[in-house]
Amino acid sequence: GENVEQHPSTLSVQEGDSAVIKCTYSDSASNYFPWYKQELGKGPQLIIDIRSNVGEKKDQRIAVTLNKTAKHFSLHITETQPEDSAVYFCAAVGGTSYGKLTFGQGTILTVHP
Amino acid sequence: GAVVSQHPSRVICKSGTSVKIECRSLDFQATTMFWYRQFPKKSLMLMATSNEGSKATYEQGVEKDKFLINHASLTLSTLTVTSAHPEDSSFYICSASLRSNNEQFFGPGTRLTVL
Repeated sequence: GENVEQHPSTLSVQEGDSAVIKCTYSDSASNYFPWYKQELGKGPQLIIDIRSNVGEKKDQRIAVTLNKTAKHFSLHITETQPEDSAVYFCAAVGGTSYGKLTFGQGTILTVHP
Repeated sequence: GAVVSQHPSRVICKSGTSVKIECRSLDFQATTMFWYRQFPKKSLMLMATSNEGSKATYEQGVEKDKFLINHASLTLSTLTVTSAHPEDSSFYICSASLRSNNEQFFGPGTRLTVL
């Protein structure tokens, strides 16, 4: 089955800096890669996603890149703000997983004012 | 759009009682709903996949008689934790999906505490 590795586990940045979180996946048939933001005591919120036919996608301060050959994808947050502080999860949907998400381990992002 | 609700948000119960958690997709019809369990500072662990009108598919190691799932309509799935014990205390999260595009939208979660 699919295996997703996420790094780093914690990330601390100053307000205004950029933050990058990286994930690798094992199933070359995976075709959908969402990123979720989870605040304390809440459910995950989809912030951006990318499909296997696209290499990059951007939405304001958030961007995701996908390298299918290397089987890795990354989340980029620019001009970070304290409200970006949360746990971020990457995930992948494998080719034969019937829509099931395999999550990375999560990254605790802290943005210092 | 794509709003998923869960009820209750928080429940405290005595050991041995059963607890039902509802998951509703408010503005779309979900072909599939998923139930997850999350321990503190950990990632989400998939418990089961639920399709409307059919039996849920449980992940390995998840007791189907312990965690009863009913998916009566395209907008409602329920998880019942039967004969709850303190080790069942956790954060339970559901998600609803449009299978056609794999997008999953998560509910706000239910914090279960079993005394």
